[in-house]
Amino acid sequence: EDQVTQSPEALRLQEGESSSLNCSYTVSGLRGLFWYRQDPGKGPEFLFTLYSAGEEKEKERLKATLTKKESFLHITAPKPEDSATYLCAVQAEYNTDKLIFGTGTRLQVFP
Amino acid sequence: DVKVTQSSRYLVKRTGEKVFLECVQDMDHENMFWYRQDPGLGLRLIYFSYDVKMKEKGDIPEGYSVSREKKERFSLILESASTNQTSMYLCASSLGGAQETQYFGPGTRLLVL
Repeated sequence: EDQVTQSPEALRLQEGESSSLNCSYTVSGLRGLFWYRQDPGKGPEFLFTLYSAGEEKEKERLKATLTKKESFLHITAPKPEDSATYLCAVQAEYNTDKLIFGTGTRLQVFP
Repeated sequence: DVKVTQSSRYLVKRTGEKVFLECVQDMDHENMFWYRQDPGLGLRLIYFSYDVKMKEKGDIPEGYSVSREKKERFSLILESASTNQTSMYLCASSLGGAQETQYFGPGTRLLVL
C-alpha cells in the first residue's frame, strides 16, 4: 500500500536553531514528491516539487532533498515566521491524478 | 499567481441539511479536487474532476457529490449533512498534463450540529 510518513509530528526550535523534517514514502514508482506549508486555519501553500533522487531545491531558509525512500526539508536558521505545519505528498507513476499526503510536521520556532 | 477561492471560510449547518461548497480557480486549470482534512488523518481526497462535466471518486466519496458545469468552478455537495462530516474542506486545482502541482484554496471549516 502506498504510504507517506512524516516525522517528527511536532518540533520546537529556538530561533536560529537549524533542523530537518523527514518524509519517508512507500510508492510503486515515484512520479513526484511535493512539500507544502500550512498555516493554522488556512489552505496548504506550495513550496517545492522533487522528481528524482539526488534533486535539491531551495527557497529562502528552506532546502528540500530527495532520495529513493525519503525526503528531507532542511530549515536553516529558522525565524518565528517559519512556524507552520509542513506537509509532504507523493504522486505515483501509475496514478498521476492523486496525491498521497502525510499527516504533517507542526513546527514552532520561538524567539 | 494561481488563485483558488472558496465560497465560505466558516459554515454552521444542521444535521440533514443540504450543503453546497463552491470553489473557483482563475488560472484555466484542467483538474480540480476536493479534500477534507481532519486531525491525525491528513488530507483525504473526496472527488476530483479532470474536465467539465467529468468527475472521479476519490478515497472517501460516500455522502458527497460534486458538480462541474464550468471549467473554473467545482462544487461539493453534502446531500444530507451528518455530524461526522464536520471538517475542514479544501479545494485544489492543477494545470493538468505533466504539470501536476496542486494549488489550494483557503479552506472552509464546516460544523454540522
